[in-house]
Amino acid sequence: DAKTTQPTSMDCAEGRAANLPCNHSTISGNEYVYWYRQIHSQGPQYIIHGLKNNETNEMASLIITEDRKSSTLILPHATLRDTAVYYCIVSNSNDYKLSFGAGTTVTVRA
Amino acid sequence: EAQVTQNPRYLITVTGKKLTVTCSQNMNHEYMSWYRQDPGLGLRQIYYSMNVEVTDKGDVPEGYKVSRKEKRNFPLILESPSPNQTSLYFCATRGIPDIISPLHFGNGTRLTVT
Repeated sequence: DAKTTQPTSMDCAEGRAANLPCNHSTISGNEYVYWYRQIHSQGPQYIIHGLKNNETNEMASLIITEDRKSSTLILPHATLRDTAVYYCIVSNSNDYKLSFGAGTTVTVRA
Repeated sequence: EAQVTQNPRYLITVTGKKLTVTCSQNMNHEYMSWYRQDPGLGLRQIYYSMNVEVTDKGDVPEGYKVSRKEKRNFPLILESPSPNQTSLYFCATRGIPDIISPLHFGNGTRLTVT
């Protein structure tokens, strides 16, 4: 059973903010939201995670709704190198069976 | 530098010829896991290990074996590979902490079974 749902694909203009949505309506209280991305066929790369507060790091911002049923990853100034597949997963410290869905294919266009 | 190292990066083999894909990490992580990635199916977990001598099945374990004799190594073994195991394979690790830590992935092994 998929714990998250994401759009299959989206385009973004270079230099603009990219807002990537994720629905996780069945998230439980101790589950974190994680975002990863995969460029070409490289190993997925961790971006950011959060529990209920909004988070920001050097790569992105994570906005989690108050009811925690959805979140948005924001790439503030998308570059061509941000073209990748972005995965949203929910997990707690006891989740050892972790699989990723198909993610969102983000294409940044010049 | 924190690293998850997989070898080989590319492997072409024939049906039935046993092979091993190695995974090694230098972060002293307890948790290690193998994934396979196929078009349109995302990353599916094959096996995982929570510590030395502790392994368990993921979502798609059929046709694979693993072992965890040392903390740093987690080899994936295909005793009798078949063409449906042609895929891109990733090893991943993370600490098992009181705090939540993210997964660290290797660079992948592209396996072709003819």
